[in-house]
Amino acid sequence: DADVTQTPRNRITKTGKRIMLECSQTKGHDRMYWYRQDPGLGLRLIYYSFDVKDINKGEISDGYSVSRQAQAKFSLSLESAIPNQTALYFCATRGSSYQPQHFGDGTRLSIL
Amino acid sequence: DQQVKQNSPSLSVQEGRISILNCDYTNSMFDYFLWYKKYPAEGPTFLISISSIKDKNEDGRFTVFLNKSAKHLSLHIVPSQPGDSAVYFCEADAGGTSYGKLTFGQGTILTVHP
Repeated sequence: DADVTQTPRNRITKTGKRIMLECSQTKGHDRMYWYRQDPGLGLRLIYYSFDVKDINKGEISDGYSVSRQAQAKFSLSLESAIPNQTALYFCATRGSSYQPQHFGDGTRLSIL
Repeated sequence: DQQVKQNSPSLSVQEGRISILNCDYTNSMFDYFLWYKKYPAEGPTFLISISSIKDKNEDGRFTVFLNKSAKHLSLHIVPSQPGDSAVYFCEADAGGTSYGKLTFGQGTILTVHP
C-alpha cells in the first residue's frame, strides 16, 4: 500500500460546487502539506500542518480550507470552486525539518 | 516572489551523456536542498539532497553540487538513461526559520533520447 494516499485521483466538477480532497498517510509523520501544481509554476504550498491543532496558511491559501482530522488525515476543501482552481493537487508528509517529503500520486481537478 | 528558480523549463540529452539541471535561490537562510523526480500520473519522489555545510553529494549516477556564494545548485546525471526522463524539482529548506515552509522551483522536464 502507498505511504500517502489521495482520493479521488480525478475529479471534474462545476463552478460553485464544494469539493473535498482527502489525504491519508501511514508514515506516522506529524507534518502534512497540500500543494498545487500548475504548468510552469512548479509546486505551490496551499496549507501545512505540524499536528492536529496546528494549521498554517501557505502562499496561495485564498479560496481553500483544510481540516486535520487525525495525525494521519489531512483534507483540503474548495468551498466554492472556480475554474482557475483547475490544477493537479498533491498531499505530502514529512517527519521533520531537513527530511524529504513523501508525496501522494495527486488529484487532477478540473472545474468547468 | 519566487525564491527558488529553475530557469530551464526543459532539457534534451542523448542517452549516455551528462544531464545538468540547475536551480538558483535568493534567500540566504536556505541551508538544505533537495531534488525530486516526477513521472506522469505519479507524485514527486525524493532523489538526493545536500546540506549547506557541503558542496557536493553523490549517490550513484546522481551528484548534486552547491555553490553558496552564487546561491546555485545543480544536479548532474551521468550517464543519462531513457528512464531518467521525468520532471525534476529542486526544493529549498530553511529549517526552523521557515517554520516548515518549503519552496520549490518550477521544475525542469528532462528528456533522454535513446
